[in-house]
Amino acid sequence: GENVEQHPSTLSVQEGDSAVIKCTYSDSASNYFPWYKQELGKRTQLIIDIRSNVGEKKDQRIAVTLNKTAKHFSLHITETQPEDSAVYFCAASFNKFYFGSGTKLNVKP
Amino acid sequence: ETGVTQSPTHLIKTRGQQVTLRCSSQSGHNTVSWYQQALGQGPQFIFQYYREEENGRGNFPPRFSGLQFPNYSSELNVNALELDDSALYLCASRSGISDTQYFGPGTRLTVL
Repeated sequence: GENVEQHPSTLSVQEGDSAVIKCTYSDSASNYFPWYKQELGKRTQLIIDIRSNVGEKKDQRIAVTLNKTAKHFSLHITETQPEDSAVYFCAASFNKFYFGSGTKLNVKP
Repeated sequence: ETGVTQSPTHLIKTRGQQVTLRCSSQSGHNTVSWYQQALGQGPQFIFQYYREEENGRGNFPPRFSGLQFPNYSSELNVNALELDDSALYLCASRSGISDTQYFGPGTRLTVL
């Protein structure tokens, strides 16, 4: 089955700095790579996704890059704000979704 | 449009008991997936239902079973509860033609 590894497990940045979270996957059949944000007391929320036929996607301060050959994808958050503090999960999917272990991002004001 | 709902919110059981968790999918969604999320871990895929049929299963024993009903709501049943079953159980629904999942708020199960 698919195996998704996510690094780092914790990340602390100063407000305004950039944050990068990296994931690798094992199954070359995976063709959809979403990123989710999880906050205490709130629903798990899709923040951005990318498909295997695209190398990069950007939505305002958030971007995702995908390297199919190397089987890795990354989340980039620029100009971080305190409200970006949360746990972020990557996932890889071909019909079924397999998640990484999560990155706890702390943005210090 | 109603979002994904789950019940109950919290549940406490003892080892060996059985539990049923419920999920109502978002309107128009015919695919429901269930996940187990242990504290400090990522969600682990349990199984997925599409139009009342199981069409994918993760690495969970047979004591984890499920159902999907004609209105696409779903149940997760766990028999012979073990301490390690303590976790947040998430369901997510999507349209069969879309990859975008929408998550419910989860059910927190504690097994004593």
